[in-house]
Amino acid sequence: DTGVSQDPRHKITKRGQNVTFRCDPISEHNRLYWYRQTLGQGPEFLTYFQNEAQLEKSRLLSDRFSAERPKGSFSTLEIQRTEQGDSAMYLCASSRTSGSSDTQYFGPGTRLTVL
Amino acid sequence: AQKITQTQPGMFVQEKEAVTLDCTYDTSDQSYGLFWYKQPSSGEMIFLIYQGSYDEQNATEGRYSLNFQKARKSANLVISASQLGDSAMYFCAMIHQAGTALIFGKGTTLSVSS
Repeated sequence: DTGVSQDPRHKITKRGQNVTFRCDPISEHNRLYWYRQTLGQGPEFLTYFQNEAQLEKSRLLSDRFSAERPKGSFSTLEIQRTEQGDSAMYLCASSRTSGSSDTQYFGPGTRLTVL
Repeated sequence: AQKITQTQPGMFVQEKEAVTLDCTYDTSDQSYGLFWYKQPSSGEMIFLIYQGSYDEQNATEGRYSLNFQKARKSANLVISASQLGDSAMYFCAMIHQAGTALIFGKGTTLSVSS
C-alpha cells in the first residue's frame, strides 16, 4: 500500500490569510483523522471522519477551522484568518475498521508557520 | 479522563544496548489499546507496536517489545540492540475505542551513540 500523503509539506503564511491542507489516506482506509502537534508536545486530536461523515470534533477545532472529506477519499483542512498560535505541524492519519486495534497510520505532516 | 505520562524527557544509550522507555496510563475503561510511535526529525509518526488491554501476552515486533503491566497501568517499550537509526522521539498513545482519537504522551527523545 502507498502510505498516507499530505500536501504541502511546508506552508508559510501571513497572519490573517487562509490556508488549506490536503491529506490522501491509504487506499481503502475508511477512517481519516487530523491532529495538530506543537513543539515539544505529542499530537492532539482535531477531528475524525468515517467515510465522508465527520463524526467527531475536538474543542481545539475552533470555528476558523473546517475539514471536509467529500467523497470519502482525500480530506482537506482549511484554516481561515490564521493566527500566530496556529503555527504547528498538522498530521493526518488513516485506519480501517479491523476490530479493536484500529491502528492509525500517519502521513509526513504539513508544517505551518504563521508570520 | 484518559491520560498518558512519559516521565523521561531524554534517554541516552550506546549502540547494541537495550533501552526501556517508560509509559504509564490512566483510564477507567476496561477495553483500550496502547500504541508506540516513533517520530524522526523528519516529522512522520511511524507505528511500532500495539497492545490490547485484553491481550495476555506482551506484544513483540522484531526488536521492539511492549512490557505490559495492567495492574500498574504501565506499557513500557523495550528496544533491544539499539541502532543509530533508532535516534528519534518516541510517543506512547492510548485509544479507548476503535475509531476515536489517540491520546498521546509528551514523548521521550532517544539518542543512540556509537
